[in-house]
Amino acid sequence: KAGVTQTPRYLIKTRGQQVTLSCSPISGHRSVSWYQQTPGQGLQFLFEYFSETQRNKGNFPGRFSGRQFSNSRSEMNVSTLELGDSALYLCASSLGLAGVAQYFGPGTRLTVT
Amino acid sequence: QKEVEQNSGPLSVPEGAIASLNCTYSDRGSQSFFWYRQYSGKSPELIMSIYSNGDKEDGRFTAQLNKASQYVSLLIRDSQPSDSATYLCAVIPPNAGNNRKLIWGLGTSLAVNP
Repeated sequence: KAGVTQTPRYLIKTRGQQVTLSCSPISGHRSVSWYQQTPGQGLQFLFEYFSETQRNKGNFPGRFSGRQFSNSRSEMNVSTLELGDSALYLCASSLGLAGVAQYFGPGTRLTVT
Repeated sequence: QKEVEQNSGPLSVPEGAIASLNCTYSDRGSQSFFWYRQYSGKSPELIMSIYSNGDKEDGRFTAQLNKASQYVSLLIRDSQPSDSATYLCAVIPPNAGNNRKLIWGLGTSLAVNP
């Protein structure tokens, strides 16, 4: 069974731009969670989607948004990029809502200059 | 107090030794516990999950859960240089219903020296 895929793998953007990241979960998984990871900060939870509905949200500004499609694929969008948004963005899928094991994709490395 | 705490390390062990990684959590009643391994520059990879008190073994890995003392540990037997990575502990807090989400520790860096 194919794992979680994320595109693109690397991105370089400038301040003020916006970016959209994509995640395809493991086949049959209906939950997709997004995380931001920076050195020293660990995994910071952004949001979780299940059946096209946002079920959980972390403490990030409204510039960070997401959505999930009927095929469980998910996208996250960051508008008005700031230097501090430079990070590894990870998507994780699971069979159900968080409470079961999550399986991570390879991540998207975003650099904001 | 952080909800999930891990010693940041680095924990350094010689090849062939047992590496012991510990994680404490604050929410009594937490039910689900996970250990992930993350190599530098890579994404976290699930190693083990544990839900009941006691030990759970999978190959060279053993997870130990003690809910009364609110800690979960990961033992790696016969440590290999390829085990050098950051190990993340994640916990599901109790009573959150459909809003349950994994609470993550910051990870322990493990270095296995040949």
